[in-house]
Amino acid sequence: EIVLTQSPVTLSLSPGETATLSCGASQSVSSGYLAWYQQKPGLAPRLLIYDSFRRPTGIPDRFSGSGSGTDFTLTISRLEPEDFAVYYCQQYSNSPYTFGQGTKLEIK
Amino acid sequence: QVQLVESGGGLVKPGGSLRLSCAASGFSFSDFYMTWIRQTPGKGLEWISHISYGTNKIYYADSVKGRFTISRDNAKSSLFLQMNSLRVEDTGVYYCARDRYGEYADSWGQGTFVTVSS
Repeated sequence: EIVLTQSPVTLSLSPGETATLSCGASQSVSSGYLAWYQQKPGLAPRLLIYDSFRRPTGIPDRFSGSGSGTDFTLTISRLEPEDFAVYYCQQYSNSPYTFGQGTKLEIK
Repeated sequence: QVQLVESGGGLVKPGGSLRLSCAASGFSFSDFYMTWIRQTPGKGLEWISHISYGTNKIYYADSVKGRFTISRDNAKSSLFLQMNSLRVEDTGVYYCARDRYGEYADSWGQGTFVTVSS
């Protein structure tokens, strides 16, 4: 099973700043099969990024994904108040598909 | 607009059963894999099962294999999860999700709560 470790656990930033969230895999995630989700309190997660860097329709270009192998990054530029939430990575390279434990992005 | 609405959650005793349903609308249901993902206090988000368009490809996480059964009715745009032999550690929120190829969840329902407790 591929274990995903997200860092930091909590990130405190101000609106307008840039957030950099990391997702490390215990073994290589082939073909960059990694997704990122955003979850706000009381709501279901929302897909932000798939295939490591692709954005679904409707996701602002402030959200960008990068990385390969065992190291992946979600970058959120020009933070808006609605961006403060919990972010999860998920790999679909190997079964079982697994999620990271999450990074909480909070307002400083 | 994609809409997924789960139902069937509730309180059940250990060893009991529940059947979750998910009503889908706003897209061609039979063109997509469908998935159940749960969020539990103990393990966080967990991909527990998915089913292909034609039901010939089905996946279960080891944690639910042999106890849970996923099914779908394409004519009624509905997804189901029959959960038997429930355990305390199955307690959590169960999400129905749309999934293009059995890879990632691009749309989620609002979730239904399952509580397993004596």
